[in-house]
Amino acid sequence: RKEVEQDPGPFNVPEGATVAFNCTYSNSASQSFFWYRQDCRKEPKLLMSVYSSGNEDGRFTAQLNRASQYISLLIRDSKLSDSATYLCVVKLGTNAGKSTFGDGTTLTVKP
Amino acid sequence: DTEVTQTPKHLVMGMTNKKSLKCEQHMGHRAMYWYKQKAKKPPELMFVYSYEKLSINESVPSRFSPECPNSSLLNLHLHALQPEDSALYLCASSQGFSGGAGQETQYFGPGTRLLVL
Repeated sequence: RKEVEQDPGPFNVPEGATVAFNCTYSNSASQSFFWYRQDCRKEPKLLMSVYSSGNEDGRFTAQLNRASQYISLLIRDSKLSDSATYLCVVKLGTNAGKSTFGDGTTLTVKP
Repeated sequence: DTEVTQTPKHLVMGMTNKKSLKCEQHMGHRAMYWYKQKAKKPPELMFVYSYEKLSINESVPSRFSPECPNSSLLNLHLHALQPEDSALYLCASSQGFSGGAGQETQYFGPGTRLLVL
């Protein structure tokens, strides 16, 4: 079993749709969680960190469920510019410096 | 400013060449990273430096040699590479390793796209 698993996708949605991605992690000692987006042939960019209480940034909402060991990302009112690969990143508190990336979920938003 | 710069943007090298990739950040971050990314795959950690000392080497072949001359700079020296080493090489930095998401958030440079012939 992979340490971090994401919905394989791809997700193809119309503009204005709501889409949700899930990510599960295997190590219960994981401490920090992030969502990054990566556009084609570009570097990953931080979308948002994920906090225990859940957090929202505009159209984006991230949730963490420690009991079930998953995090989620909800995108409301999808825009064409949201088309990208979304990477789930998990870091152990004890394994200094090492973050584990999921394989990514590709989203295409169509007009 | 959350900028990490990398040079060169593109590099083509033969299997007998020696070249270096450079990475720079001026955010006062004390942790710096090298990743390798193949097409349609996630970034794969290679090395981690903390306070200019190598803290993680993910069993990377010795033809890749990292160097951290100071807290702002990170180099990756390449020698006798193989065609399968062709990839996007990403540098990243973070404030530190622990202390929560704020400290641990990694900021990536634009990468060097390497082709080994």
